[in-house]
Amino acid sequence: RKEVEQDPGPFNVPEGATVAFNCTYSNSASQSFFWYRQDCRKEPKLLMSVYSSGNEDGRFTAQLNRASQYISLLIRDSKLSDSATYLCVVSNDMRFGAGTRLTVKP
Amino acid sequence: NAGVTQTPKFQVLKTGQSMTLQCAQDMNHNSMYWYRQDPGMGLRLIYYSASEGTTDKGEVPNGYNVSRLNKREFSLRLESAAPSQTSVYFCASSLLDYELQYFGPGTRLTVL
Repeated sequence: RKEVEQDPGPFNVPEGATVAFNCTYSNSASQSFFWYRQDCRKEPKLLMSVYSSGNEDGRFTAQLNRASQYISLLIRDSKLSDSATYLCVVSNDMRFGAGTRLTVKP
Repeated sequence: NAGVTQTPKFQVLKTGQSMTLQCAQDMNHNSMYWYRQDPGMGLRLIYYSASEGTTDKGEVPNGYNVSRLNKREFSLRLESAAPSQTSVYFCASSLLDYELQYFGPGTRLTVL
């Protein structure tokens, strides 16, 4: 089993849709988790940290489920500009998921 | 404040050639990292440096060497390039170990 796994997608959704991605990790001792966004041929940029209590930033919600060892990212009211690849990171292992590709269509 | 900078942006090498990828950060971060990104593989850690003067191997260190020249600069060297090292290389830095990282724009390397 890979240490960090993501559904590669692609997810193709219409504007305004709600979409959710999951990311599973194998190291139960992991402490730090992040979601990054990567546009085509660009560097990854931090989208949000994932806290134990869950956190929300506008249309984006991140949650951590330690019992099942996964983190999730929920995007509400999708915009065309949300089209990108979303990478989950288990930071204390320095492990990135392979990314989930999202395309939002008009 | 440029953040993390990398040079060169693009490079083509022949098998067996050597080169050094340069990375610098101006955020006074302690930790710096080198990753490679291949299609379908995500980013894989090559080497990292938790602080000036220290370096540690990551997931895929073979064929690479690094130097943490000072707090700002962290270079990655390919001594004898191989086609399997064709990839996009990203440098990153973070204030502390295992915390959120800021990435440079990447170096696209092709080894023929």
